Amino acid sequence: DAGVIQSPRHEVTEMGQEVTLRCKPISGHNSLFWYRQTMMRGLELLIYFNNNVPIDDSGMPEDRFSAKMPNASFSTLKIQPSEPRDSAVYFCASSLRVTAFETGELFFGEGSRLTVL
Amino acid sequence: GESVGLHLPTLSVQEGDNSIINCAYSNSASDYFIWYKQESGKGPQFIIDIRSNMDKRQGQRVTVLLNKTVKHLSLQIAATQPGDSAVYFCAENILFSGGYNKLIFGAGTRLAVHP
Repeated sequence: DAGVIQSPRHEVTEMGQEVTLRCKPISGHNSLFWYRQTMMRGLELLIYFNNNVPIDDSGMPEDRFSAKMPNASFSTLKIQPSEPRDSAVYFCASSLRVTAFETGELFFGEGSRLTVL
Repeated sequence: GESVGLHLPTLSVQEGDNSIINCAYSNSASDYFIWYKQESGKGPQFIIDIRSNMDKRQGQRVTVLLNKTVKHLSLQIAATQPGDSAVYFCAENILFSGGYNKLIFGAGTRLAVHP
């Protein structure tokens, strides 16, 4: 298996522009997670999906952030409009959840490094 | 391609020595804990996990100890190698409303292995 695939690996954009990050989870996994990593806050869970349905989006910073999972093999995280404070590495992870009480082992992608000027 | 910034606690060890990385967790109801390793420019990678009904679990060269009384977790790496240099995160499994759970990561510790 190719693992979790994220794109783009690097993005540099200007404040106010729309940013779309993409993720392809591992085939057969039923849970998908978006994390953000910064120096100040470490790894923060933004949102997660189970069977393509958003379960918890309490970590999404504000309305400028949105995430979708139209099918089991694709998810997007969109920031519109972007701001300099959104600069971070955004990770997507997937897992096979077998019970409601455990996420299962999370497999992370390589991350998308976003710089907003 | 650094994974985290400059403010992490750093543990420096000599190659061949044993390393102990500590983590304090916050939720006494957490029932499952995982250690992840993150190398520069990469995503976190699973190392070992432990459930709350255990106090010790061993893997290959790694051991995790859990002390629920003081909400403390540690990762021991035997015979540390240069390839072990990375940032190590503990994560706790927290239940929330609706019966689902999520993994919350600690701040991380940087392990630097010197020849």
